[in-house]
Amino acid sequence: EVQLVQSGSEVKKPGESLKISCRGVGYRYTSNWIAWVRQTPEKGLEWMGFIFPGDSETRYSPSFQGQVTMSVDTSISTAYLQWSSLESSDTAMYYCATHVTVVAFDLWGQGTMVTVSS
Amino acid sequence: EIVMTQSPATLSVSPGERATVSCTASQTVRNKLVAWYQQKPGQAPRLLIYAASTRATGIPARFSGSGSGTEFTLTISSLQAEDFAVYYCQEYHDWPLFTFGPGTKVDI
Repeated sequence: EVQLVQSGSEVKKPGESLKISCRGVGYRYTSNWIAWVRQTPEKGLEWMGFIFPGDSETRYSPSFQGQVTMSVDTSISTAYLQWSSLESSDTAMYYCATHVTVVAFDLWGQGTMVTVSS
Repeated sequence: EIVMTQSPATLSVSPGERATVSCTASQTVRNKLVAWYQQKPGQAPRLLIYAASTRATGIPARFSGSGSGTEFTLTISSLQAEDFAVYYCQEYHDWPLFTFGPGTKVDI
């Protein structure tokens, strides 16, 4: 089955670091952009950036540039989104998504809920 | 950056009725590269329509998309119980960059 499998929910304190993951299963992982999307009740769905597993090229939304780091380990078909110092405003659901059969995001992970609270 | 707006914010309809959601872009979306997604509570978004009018794999025929330029529409011809959800439009004419609309909640 073709799927993106994300790591589990996280509860962190402000200032802590975090790395969440997104593993691709059942398709050619290195050929498709992986997008990270944040969802909050206040701002809805926001694209954070992309990584292309084939060459690790990354593009960040201006809103998230410098706030997060995207990386990939093609040997295990896994992309990562990491923070060096979390803030309460990072509390959100985070999705990874990719394009498998069409030029649109037709495959989504199940989401990772990140809660940052003291 | 293109800004996408949707109307209405909430659409109250009954099962069997037709639902129409509008999406307006702040500038022309080249090549009609607009997609529509459905999101139910506790679930990830699901692709319904891409390239403005092409249904994604497995999407029922009651879902249709239309439009060009700056105006796009998602129509659900006869609402089923499972269609009550939030619907988002998305432009991606500068692939892979994209922008989502704020969403339209379709409820009873």
